Amino acid sequence: EVQLVESGGGLVQPGRSLRLSCATSGFIFDDYAMHWVRQAPGKGLEWVSGLTGLTWNSVVLGYGDSVKGRFTISRDSAKNSLYLQMNSLRPEDTAIYYCVKDIGPVGASLHDWGQGTLVTVSS
Amino acid sequence: EIVMTQSPATLSVSPGDGATLSCRASQSVSSNLAWYQQKPGQAPRLLIYAASTRATGIPARFSGSGSGTEFTLTITSLQSEDFAVYYCQQYNNNRWTFGQGTKVEIK
Repeated sequence: EVQLVESGGGLVQPGRSLRLSCATSGFIFDDYAMHWVRQAPGKGLEWVSGLTGLTWNSVVLGYGDSVKGRFTISRDSAKNSLYLQMNSLRPEDTAIYYCVKDIGPVGASLHDWGQGTLVTVSS
Repeated sequence: EIVMTQSPATLSVSPGDGATLSCRASQSVSSNLAWYQQKPGQAPRLLIYAASTRATGIPARFSGSGSGTEFTLTITSLQSEDFAVYYCQQYNNNRWTFGQGTKVEIK
């Protein structure tokens, strides 16, 4: 069974940093692209970032316009984990952040979702 | 950025009836289109990918169609567990974008 467990969320002041983690199990981590998707309270879904599987050199697929230059995605094959480093946080970054496993290695549909971790940016 | 537009915003349906949800892309996404279902307090769930392929474990009452810029999600004979918000999403380029969602509510 695929398991994706996010951690690292919480309350943070504007301008500060936070690092989200996603521990995975139940599948061959290196074989799949992985993503972060967020959802602001009461709003729709927004793709944040993704990167390919290790077999495709863990290439960063890109970043959403609203986070480009501030957020960095990475993965650690030894720990089967995905990360999102979030810098210069803004109140509009307040959202549930989901760790998502792609259906394949290069980036396509979003097959499995974690339960999310809430990030609140407020003074 | 490819903009995805869903209609209607809200659809009121009686249990047992069918529902048709629409999704339009601002430019062609070929068949690189997925549909997700989200219930309150839950993470989204993949229903359909490649415009018309049901994901594992998804009941046959869910079907997707379309290509290019026009897509449809059809739900036949709605069950109580189908009342939720549905999102379409394109993955034609390395900039995944979602529609704003269609809420399917009980009439």
